[in-house]
Amino acid sequence: NAGVTQTPKFQVLKTGQSMTLQCAQDMNHEYMSWYRQDPGMGLRLIHYSVGAGITDQGEVPNGYNVSRSTTEDFPLRLLSAAPSQTSVYFCASSDRNYGYTFGSGTRLTVV
Amino acid sequence: DQQVKQNSPSLSVQEGRISILNCDYTNSMFDYFLWYKKYPAEGPTFLISISSIKDKNEDGRFTVFLNKSAKHLSLHIVPSQPGDSAVYFCAASDTGSNYKLTFGKGTLLTVNP
Repeated sequence: NAGVTQTPKFQVLKTGQSMTLQCAQDMNHEYMSWYRQDPGMGLRLIHYSVGAGITDQGEVPNGYNVSRSTTEDFPLRLLSAAPSQTSVYFCASSDRNYGYTFGSGTRLTVV
Repeated sequence: DQQVKQNSPSLSVQEGRISILNCDYTNSMFDYFLWYKKYPAEGPTFLISISSIKDKNEDGRFTVFLNKSAKHLSLHIVPSQPGDSAVYFCAASDTGSNYKLTFGKGTLLTVNP
């Protein structure tokens, strides 16, 4: 099915561990973004990309890195996990002519 | 500083009646507005959008109204159905810049049978 695919769906990390959340889209969209959703906080932008090789920071970038080597993939790296990064993470993509399409999310718990 | 505000955390309506969800924004550069619907354990799904050159956009039971002078938009759902029960997020973008979306905190809509 066409859309945005996120892996894994669930993850438990220990404080200090690193990991990469994967995101892939097969719609040839230019724009991709990572959001986190926390209770009572809505969706907050972590990093975004307007095309391969181009990334920029969003509202809450600290502790996260991204890269965009291809149009399809936009991985999010947690450098050293902290309990404050416990959240649900959503990846999204858009071609600018329509609203962003979101993945189903990754639920991350840092203990 | 919250640029997109949804001041009602929750709303409860009866099936068949109208649901009105409100959203305010502060950034005058925003020129494209969207509503997303989110069920638990799923990603947000696009519902309807409106450009700042319009003041109304309809799609079936869903209508979005934009009042630029008041920096206010609203989503009307008529008639409301139990399956509409979800969290609704308002989002805004400055399309002349980089098309990143800024979201409100969401409103939980409950439609009672």
